[in-house]
Amino acid sequence: DQQVKQNSPSLSVQEGRISILNCDYTNSMFDYFLWYKKYPAEGPTFLISISSIKDKNEDGRFTVFLNKSAKHLSLHIVPSQPGDSAVYFCAASALSSNSGYALNFGKGTSLLVTP
Amino acid sequence: DADVTQTPRNRITKTGKRIMLECSQTKGHDRMYWYRQDPGLGLRLIYYSFDVKDINKGEISDGYSVSRQAQAKFSLSLESAIPNQTALYFCATSDLDPASRFFGPGTRLTVL
Repeated sequence: DQQVKQNSPSLSVQEGRISILNCDYTNSMFDYFLWYKKYPAEGPTFLISISSIKDKNEDGRFTVFLNKSAKHLSLHIVPSQPGDSAVYFCAASALSSNSGYALNFGKGTSLLVTP
Repeated sequence: DADVTQTPRNRITKTGKRIMLECSQTKGHDRMYWYRQDPGLGLRLIYYSFDVKDINKGEISDGYSVSRQAQAKFSLSLESAIPNQTALYFCATSDLDPASRFFGPGTRLTVL
């Protein structure tokens, strides 16, 4: 049973426009959320995170929004650039529990930014 | 130099063979992890270690074993490889901050 769900396997966006990647979770114990970016033949790299005490975190072109009541988060990339083309993984952790070490990953969304 | 190194990067082996995947790090992190990625399934945790004397099973540990030889080294073994262990394997390290988790470049393993 997948506790973190990324229901869109792929997304295509034009350069300069906004990319919105979505993620849903089922475990109400999750209190810390992360986004990772992965290029082919490389390991995932940390992009941005958000704690459940916040509803928004921004870092340059990347913003993550958290809606706890809907158990939903989204990653916004504005403006999108061709170099953003990668697979994006959503991950969640229950930091306040004994299993805080565990990151539960979604299946990933492949983003293609076209010129 | 890479912070997390995995060897080999690619390996093709036959059913029943013993395989060892190695991971070394220069991040200075105490915590190390082994993950497996299958197409359409995201990353799943196999084993993790919080220090040299600590080894713990993850979500999918059956068929695997690990050894933490030093703070900087964490190896994953498949005692008798089977075809459904064909996957991309990632080693990762971290400190207490979950956002510090740093992944290696991955090992692509094919079991025929």
